[in-house]
Amino acid sequence: QKEVEQNSGPLSVPEGAIASLNCTYSDRGSQSFFWYRQYSGKSPELIMFIYSNGDKEDGRFTAQLNKASQYVSLLIRDSQPSDSATYLCAVRSAGGTSYGKLTFGQGTILTVHP
Amino acid sequence: DARVTQTPRHKVTEMGQEVTMRCQPILGHNTVFWYRQTMMQGLELLAYFRNRAPLDDSGMPKDRFSAEMPDATLATLKIQPSEPRDSAVYFCASGFSGKLTHEPPEMSGTDTQYFGPGTRLTVL
Repeated sequence: QKEVEQNSGPLSVPEGAIASLNCTYSDRGSQSFFWYRQYSGKSPELIMFIYSNGDKEDGRFTAQLNKASQYVSLLIRDSQPSDSATYLCAVRSAGGTSYGKLTFGQGTILTVHP
Repeated sequence: DARVTQTPRHKVTEMGQEVTMRCQPILGHNTVFWYRQTMMQGLELLAYFRNRAPLDDSGMPKDRFSAEMPDATLATLKIQPSEPRDSAVYFCASGFSGKLTHEPPEMSGTDTQYFGPGTRLTVL
């Protein structure tokens, strides 16, 4: 079992719809959870992070975390063609020498069509 | 505009040659990470440093790869000898490990990693 799993997609949604991206992780001690967006040929860029159970909203983006289910998701409201990219879920390990180390999922390819 | 810089951006070399990639982390950051990204494997952590000390290089093939941080403003990743299977995009990322505020890092987000533009390596 991979440490961080994502559905590779591609996930295709129409413009204006809600895109839902999901991620599960295996390390129960994980403390921080990150969503990165990566356009083709570019480097990953941070969208948002979440550390406590529940929802965290930032503009059109909402991250949801459920530590009991070891599940984190990203919702993109009013999806735009410019949101078309690969979305990477990353999980930060608990303390010790692994402090700060992120484990990334394989990424979900999102396509928003006009 | 603080950002991670990497050189070179592109490198084409022949099998057996030495390759050196360089990274300048964001000023003030004390952690540096080297990742490799391929279509098959995704984003893999090769090595990481905190306060210039290597903490974890378990993801790196030790026989041909080496990572160093000669000073706080420069991290290097070397491959010697290079092989075609090393062809990938190599990213450097930097972050801050510790408390900048009264909040723990997971609350303030100070443990966020910021990525450089990457070095696209092709080994023929």
